[in-house]
Amino acid sequence: QVRLVQSGAEVKKPGASVKVSCKTSGYTFTGFYLHWVRQAPGQGLEWMGWIDPNSGGTNYAPKFQDRVTMTLDTSITTGYMELSRLRSDDTAIYYCARDRTRYWYQDFDYWGQGALVTVSS
Amino acid sequence: EIVLTQSPATLSVSPGEIATLSCRASQSVSYLAWYQQKPGQAPRLLIYDTSDRATGIPARFSGSGSGTDFTLTISSLEPEDFAVYYCLQRSNWPPGFTFGPGTRVDIK
Repeated sequence: QVRLVQSGAEVKKPGASVKVSCKTSGYTFTGFYLHWVRQAPGQGLEWMGWIDPNSGGTNYAPKFQDRVTMTLDTSITTGYMELSRLRSDDTAIYYCARDRTRYWYQDFDYWGQGALVTVSS
Repeated sequence: EIVLTQSPATLSVSPGEIATLSCRASQSVSYLAWYQQKPGQAPRLLIYDTSDRATGIPARFSGSGSGTDFTLTISSLEPEDFAVYYCLQRSNWPPGFTFGPGTRVDIK
């Protein structure tokens, strides 16, 4: 079965960086875009960007363009999202999610359990 | 950038009743999906491409709409349906996604 398992909670200081991992299994890793979505406490969902495991190409939401980097390790079917220059308003749960459609972007059908990132001095 | 507005922000409904949730876009949308999220859980895909139910989603969930106005209808609310619902639009250019702010469905 398809599974996405994320790394654990992190506490970071303002200005630092955080890297969240997303270990996938149960499907052809290179066939489906991997997205990252975040959710601040008590707030809604915010799409951050995607990475195409087939090409390594990325597409970031404009809001995160200069601070986010999405990468892969295809040998272990794992994706990573690194966010730099953290601020207190980056405190959120960060989810990875698989695109439902092979080789395209449509919507997200399988999600990781989320990783809480807390930014505090 | 396309902005999505969802209404109402909160909907109070009794079990067995119908719930109608609205999602409006600031400009025409070519692709829309709906998600359900319960406390402490990741979102779950309910509806994709406006009206197609995702795998395993009960028939009481249905989607409709076009252009800028979309609706999620839950025909007879079950206790497990009380949750927050988000719409999601996909843009072809620039490529990307936007979520609506969500509608909370509470027990009346």
